[in-house]
Amino acid sequence: GNSVTQMEGPVTLSEEAFLTINCTYTATGYPSLFWYVQYPGEGLQLLLKATKADDKGSNKGFEATYRKETTSFHLEKGSVQVSDSAVYFCALSVALNYGGSQGNLIFGKGTKLSVKP
Amino acid sequence: SAVISQKPSRDICQRGTSLTIQCQVDSQVTMMFWYRQQPGQSLTLIATANQGSEATYESGFVIDKFPISRPNLTFSTLTVSNMSPEDSSIYLCSVFSAWVSYNEQFFGPGTRLTVL
Repeated sequence: GNSVTQMEGPVTLSEEAFLTINCTYTATGYPSLFWYVQYPGEGLQLLLKATKADDKGSNKGFEATYRKETTSFHLEKGSVQVSDSAVYFCALSVALNYGGSQGNLIFGKGTKLSVKP
Repeated sequence: SAVISQKPSRDICQRGTSLTIQCQVDSQVTMMFWYRQQPGQSLTLIATANQGSEATYESGFVIDKFPISRPNLTFSTLTVSNMSPEDSSIYLCSVFSAWVSYNEQFFGPGTRLTVL
């Protein structure tokens, strides 16, 4: 079946540290990969996405590359800020056919990131 | 992008009562979903709301407990029936539309429910 395995937290970093949050997936069909972020007290927001192998999604200094050979989509940021403190969710949706409609999202368990000044 | 609003944003309810959550989208969408996020947990899909027909429920969720309506392409409701403290969660409406953005699902702000 389709699933997402995400590095469990919590993760605590100092400001300007390098961030990696690991995410691997299993999927049949044609997956698209996403990172969502949930800031304290707010709703879920799409951070970045990649729809095919070797695509790199990027936003707000965060990056993730869709690696089909390792079935991974690790989230990275070179220098985190206090404002990046949030819960990060890796997610997957799968199309049964190439170019077909995507199914619903399957989420990882989430990783809570705390950045200290 | 699609702008989604949910009502109420939060509520505190008594055991045994029911609460209906509304989801309104600013544009027509092809698919609408309802998720539950229990405290400290990830999101779990409850059901896909189908326009003009019964919702499609995921394993572990039943219509009697979570009746869903979707009368048109921009609106849906989720009712949490006969509530117990275990139903305390954030309930999120989500939409997908190939007309708006390929491969992107948008989320509402959520409804935070506390059952006493």
